Amino acid sequence: GQNIDQPTEMTATEGAIVQINCTYQTSGFNGLFWYQQHAGEAPTFLSYNVLDGLEEKGRFSSFLSRSKGYSYLLLKELQMKDSASYLCAVRDSNYQLIWGAGTKLIIKP
Amino acid sequence: SQTIHQWPATLVQPVGSPLSLECTVEGTSNPNLYWYRQAAGRGLQLLFYSVGIGQISSEVPQNLSASRPQDRQFILSSKKLLLSDSGFYLCAGQTYNSPLHFGNGTRLTVT
Repeated sequence: GQNIDQPTEMTATEGAIVQINCTYQTSGFNGLFWYQQHAGEAPTFLSYNVLDGLEEKGRFSSFLSRSKGYSYLLLKELQMKDSASYLCAVRDSNYQLIWGAGTKLIIKP
Repeated sequence: SQTIHQWPATLVQPVGSPLSLECTVEGTSNPNLYWYRQAAGRGLQLLFYSVGIGQISSEVPQNLSASRPQDRQFILSSKKLLLSDSGFYLCAGQTYNSPLHFGNGTRLTVT
């Protein structure tokens, strides 16, 4: 079957760096997405990786290793507004998105 | 870029009543459209997706149905709501090689 694993919850301190990991086993691979979802709101797109390596976008970076079935989202200079759930999703060979359950990130002052 | 419009934002309905949630897309044509449901504190569950007018694929057998009467319109319906239909309903759209974009969601409470 298809599976996306990510930690259920993480806690970090304001101003620090946090890395949220995602491992996947899917039928084919056509890209990996990270989304941010604040409580009670819809998910918003953060990043997309289809080739191995690091994609940087401001304070957020996302890394992919296709051979290891592994990705991480790196958040730097954490702010209180970064408290949210972070969803990892993989597009499979049928171009369907397989979603992880999300990682709830709690930022403490 | 595409914008997904979804309404209402909040809905409270009694058990056994019908449901109709509408989603429209702006800024693109021929998108793939999706209905997801998210229970409190849980991940996204794909309910239906559509690759074109009149084409609906159901992922989970349930009390709901979907229709796509126009290219940019996607409707989620139920004839008789159950308590278990409560949740956060999200419409999303995607064109080739673009990320999935979501509407603002509808929080449905069945009482």
